[in-house]
Amino acid sequence: QQPVQSPQAVILREGEDAVINCSSSKALYSVHWYRQKHGEAPVFLMILLKGGEQKGHDKISASFNEKKQQSSLYLTASQLSYSGTYFCGTEMGPGGYQKVTFGTGTKLQVIP
Amino acid sequence: DSGVTQTPKHLITATGQRVTLRCSPRSGDLSVYWYQQSLDQGLQFLIQYYNGEERAKGNILERFSAQQFPDLHSELNLSSLELGDSALYFCASSVVSGSGSDTQYFGPGTRLTVL
Repeated sequence: QQPVQSPQAVILREGEDAVINCSSSKALYSVHWYRQKHGEAPVFLMILLKGGEQKGHDKISASFNEKKQQSSLYLTASQLSYSGTYFCGTEMGPGGYQKVTFGTGTKLQVIP
Repeated sequence: DSGVTQTPKHLITATGQRVTLRCSPRSGDLSVYWYQQSLDQGLQFLIQYYNGEERAKGNILERFSAQQFPDLHSELNLSSLELGDSALYFCASSVVSGSGSDTQYFGPGTRLTVL
């Protein structure tokens, strides 16, 4: 079951904040977040596990609401380097034995 | 650099042909995943191998097949190629520790163009 991401696209000015949401219709075990720049490979940002805490990396953080089966990625004080397409990937079970299903992506463009 | 290598970087071929894409996982990673990404599309999971055995299957066409060898490198074989098979093909690897969810590290991808 492919997770649904929103918004599909967003344009920010440098320094502005953004939130990207990832929702599933099924119970989730984990949510992965990746950023992909055009023509390049996806780059891992973070993983959130069921029962785990909100994570952060520099000015990018994420939360995982198990009850709502939803994860949100927060980008604060955006920089030009944040531009790219953000994908969430979801797993239904532990241990890496379940396939990760990726959402359709959110295109983020940061302008000066 | 993720530590995952893929060859070739670019591949141009004709319809009806067969090609093989190769992936070497990061040192120590036992699991390999293959993904297809068409132009401006998301990542479509194709297949996963773990230590030589097929572990999970996604939307992989019957014309496509994969295997993982004893040295853990993997090959994705695409046959009877069609124009619609033109895409970026990514390989990813992970440890699969069993204790939680494992990060997938993506290779640089192989861009396949079918003419």
